[in-house]
Amino acid sequence: DAGVIQSPRHEVTEMGQEVTLRCKPISGHNSLFWYRQTMMRGLELLIYFNNNVPIDDSGMPEDRFSAKMPNASFSTLKIQPSEPRDSAVYFCASRDRGYNEQFFGPGTRLTVL
Amino acid sequence: KQEVTQIPAALSVPEGENLVLNCSFTDSAIYNLQWFRQDPGKGLTSLLLIQSSQREQTSGRLNASLDKSSGRSTLYIAASQPGDSATYLCAVSTGNQFYFGTGTSLTVIP
Repeated sequence: DAGVIQSPRHEVTEMGQEVTLRCKPISGHNSLFWYRQTMMRGLELLIYFNNNVPIDDSGMPEDRFSAKMPNASFSTLKIQPSEPRDSAVYFCASRDRGYNEQFFGPGTRLTVL
Repeated sequence: KQEVTQIPAALSVPEGENLVLNCSFTDSAIYNLQWFRQDPGKGLTSLLLIQSSQREQTSGRLNASLDKSSGRSTLYIAASQPGDSATYLCAVSTGNQFYFGTGTSLTVIP
């Protein structure tokens, strides 16, 4: 398996623009997580899907953030409109049934100018 | 809310030394604890997962222990190598929620 795949790896955009980050979880995994990592706050869980259904989105910072998982092999995290304080590395992770290990993707480094 | 602390924040050791990284958490009602490694500019690589019913897990030169009642876990690295240099993070799971420590930055000097 190729592991968790994220795209793009780097994104530079201007304030106010819409940003869409993409994630393909490991095949067969039924849980998907979106995280944000910054120097100031470390790793924060934004939202968690189980069987394509959002279970907990309490970590989503504002209404500008939204996430979808239309099927078991694809998820998106959208920021609209983006702001400079959204600059961070966004990670996607997946986990199989049984609450076992999480496996992380390589991350998307987002810079909002 | 669960709080996860890792001490020390940074550690520098000569090659070959055995070392211990610490992770503490405030709420003992956890499902499992996972140790990760993160290289600069990279994602997180899973090292070891300890279920709440277990006391330790081993993989090669790594050994992780868990004392749920005292809210502590340690990661023991034997015979450290320069390639072990990275940031090590622990994460506590309560099932649906995950809480990460801020990590220990390890440098192994050749």
